[in-house]
Amino acid sequence: ETGVTQTPRHLVMGMTNKKSLKCEQHLGHNAMYWYKQSAKKPLELMFVYNFKEQTENNSVPSRFSPECPNSSHLFLHLHTLQPEDSALYLCASSLRATSGRTDTQYFGPGTRLTVL
Amino acid sequence: QKEVEQNSGPLSVPEGAIASLNCTYSDRGSQSFFWYRQYSGKSPELIMFIYSNGDKEDGRFTAQLNKASQYVSLLIRDSQPSDSATYLCAVTGGATNKLIFGTGTLLAVQP
Repeated sequence: ETGVTQTPRHLVMGMTNKKSLKCEQHLGHNAMYWYKQSAKKPLELMFVYNFKEQTENNSVPSRFSPECPNSSHLFLHLHTLQPEDSALYLCASSLRATSGRTDTQYFGPGTRLTVL
Repeated sequence: QKEVEQNSGPLSVPEGAIASLNCTYSDRGSQSFFWYRQYSGKSPELIMFIYSNGDKEDGRFTAQLNKASQYVSLLIRDSQPSDSATYLCAVTGGATNKLIFGTGTLLAVQP
């Protein structure tokens, strides 16, 4: 596999369910990101991990819990979500995440999440 | 004021014409500028990035940056129906490495 992969591609869950989204990058990058994309709204950065350390939590509700066991894998654990959390969740990776010029971010195909 | 602004469109151009997509940003300290293309139901894919004032050309695509005016644009020459997509402008915040996206411009190339 090449690039950035995400599983599952589609997920339907109830508000009481617990599920996890998985992202894997095969690019040798050190930074990984979670974004949320809702209709008619810009991509919203949720979390940033740089060399496995979380460097950004963009005021995301605690019902979203990220995990980054190594530089190649990123998870987003979901529990007690709300219908308004339905969106496309995109994972991205870049060489690193540092201040100043930003390395290009490459996106995975996304997980289309529907919360009933 | 939105941090990154784009006209949502749709921008309709005939096949073979030049499509001009525009983006303004609010943080004068921004240093990196990206254009992504997103087909419906797909994830964003990088078209171009630009760091310095002026033009940067790659095939049919030209990115233009004017930091004084806080303006970045993307020109697509010889537009094809396959170019029909939403084009996202993304800018780094000057104080952090956060990539801030606009809402995107929907381009429709008419055959």
